[in-house]
Amino acid sequence: EVQLLESGGGLVQPGGSLRLSCAASGFTFSTYAMNWVRQAPGKGLEWVSGISTGGGATYYADSVKGRFTISRDNSKNTLYLQMNSLRAEDTAVYYCAKGEGYSSSSGMDVWGQGTTVTVSS
Amino acid sequence: QSVLTQPPSASGTPGQRVTISCSGSSSNIGSKSVYWYQQLPGTAPKLLIYNNNQRPSGVPDRFSGSKSGTSASLAISGLRSEDEADYYCAAWDDSLSGWVFGGGTQLTVL
Repeated sequence: EVQLLESGGGLVQPGGSLRLSCAASGFTFSTYAMNWVRQAPGKGLEWVSGISTGGGATYYADSVKGRFTISRDNSKNTLYLQMNSLRAEDTAVYYCAKGEGYSSSSGMDVWGQGTTVTVSS
Repeated sequence: QSVLTQPPSASGTPGQRVTISCSGSSSNIGSKSVYWYQQLPGTAPKLLIYNNNQRPSGVPDRFSGSKSGTSASLAISGLRSEDEADYYCAAWDDSLSGWVFGGGTQLTVL
């Protein structure tokens, strides 16, 4: 069974940093693109970032470009999101989502349960 | 303001057929596949439709998707109480080099 388990969320002050992790199992992690999608309280889904199979291609939403960095460790079947210079508007549930294929433009077919990030003083 | 436009709400009675629209542009829906996700209250999104009109295994055939030009639609027939959820459309956007979502449609089963 394909499973994605996010961790690393928590309460952080504005301007602070946090690193999210997503542990994958049940599929050959290294052959699929991966994404992060967030959902602010009471709001809709917002794509945050995507990464290709080998990590050579990364993509970001304008709202996080320059502050967030996506990466992956295929030897550990783990996806990461390094979040710096956090703002109140980054408060959200962050979901890890598996791509259908190797390209970042492949649709997201499996989602994790999410980890909550709260940015507040 | 979302790049893809959906109605904020929709409703129907049990057994009815409802449709949810999703409007985009040539850089997303007009040239890329559309995906639909269902989010039940308090849970993670679940893939409902991929490649415009394909259903993953386990998704009832009451759910169907279609696309025409720069718009797409999700249809739910034989509406059931358990279909009450938020529905989102999504597509890759070539101009933005990223995924774009609709604002979501909250479906109420009366």
